[in-house]
Amino acid sequence: AQTVTQSQPEMSVQEAETVTLSCTYDTSESNYYLFWYKQPPSRQMILVIRQEAYKQQNATENRFSVNFQKAAKSFSLKISDSQLGDTAMYFCAFMINTGTASKLTFGTGTRLQVTL
Amino acid sequence: GAVVSQHPSWVICKSGTSVKIECRSLDFQATTMFWYRQFPKQSLMLMATSNEGSKATYEQGVEKDKFLINHASLTLSTLTVTSAHPEDSSFYICSAHPGTLLPSSYNSPLHFGNGTRLTVT
Repeated sequence: AQTVTQSQPEMSVQEAETVTLSCTYDTSESNYYLFWYKQPPSRQMILVIRQEAYKQQNATENRFSVNFQKAAKSFSLKISDSQLGDTAMYFCAFMINTGTASKLTFGTGTRLQVTL
Repeated sequence: GAVVSQHPSWVICKSGTSVKIECRSLDFQATTMFWYRQFPKQSLMLMATSNEGSKATYEQGVEKDKFLINHASLTLSTLTVTSAHPEDSSFYICSAHPGTLLPSSYNSPLHFGNGTRLTVT
């Protein structure tokens, strides 16, 4: 079974600053995906970034980037130039790559508050 | 593209009644849909995997007779909470997958509905 751990229940960052959210996972699988999802107060699940385990290069999406350490089973999210709209719950998630649909296993989430 | 519609967005029902929640893939065929439950300030917990034309696969601890799942077509899955009780009050979210994992340029393999807030009084 896969587990995903987010050790920071809450984080706060000032606008324009950088913040890093931590995520560790445990799996015996070698082929999988990792994701960061954002859930704003509307509760819509929004994909922030995804990483394929076979790729060594860290994924980046504009202000969002990850630090993927496969051996350490670590997958942290860095948000640069934080904006008020980044305030949300952030979930780290894991999916086995089966080539088709597979369930997501979510971490417990980190509530990020961006302040002025 | 890749829109998933979930209905209703919120519902209040009396204890003992049943409530049906629909999850539709609007612009793609979803051979597999997933149903998650989220308690306040908690994470999403998978309840069951719904496959078109076959019985749903339930996660351990989820009562299949209480949470009835039907995936009768490639665009619609329904979750029925039977004989609802106040402890069933929660946020229910569905997600859908188009069947084959698309290339990495297609960012998300799973598309989420907007969720349904169920309150049982």
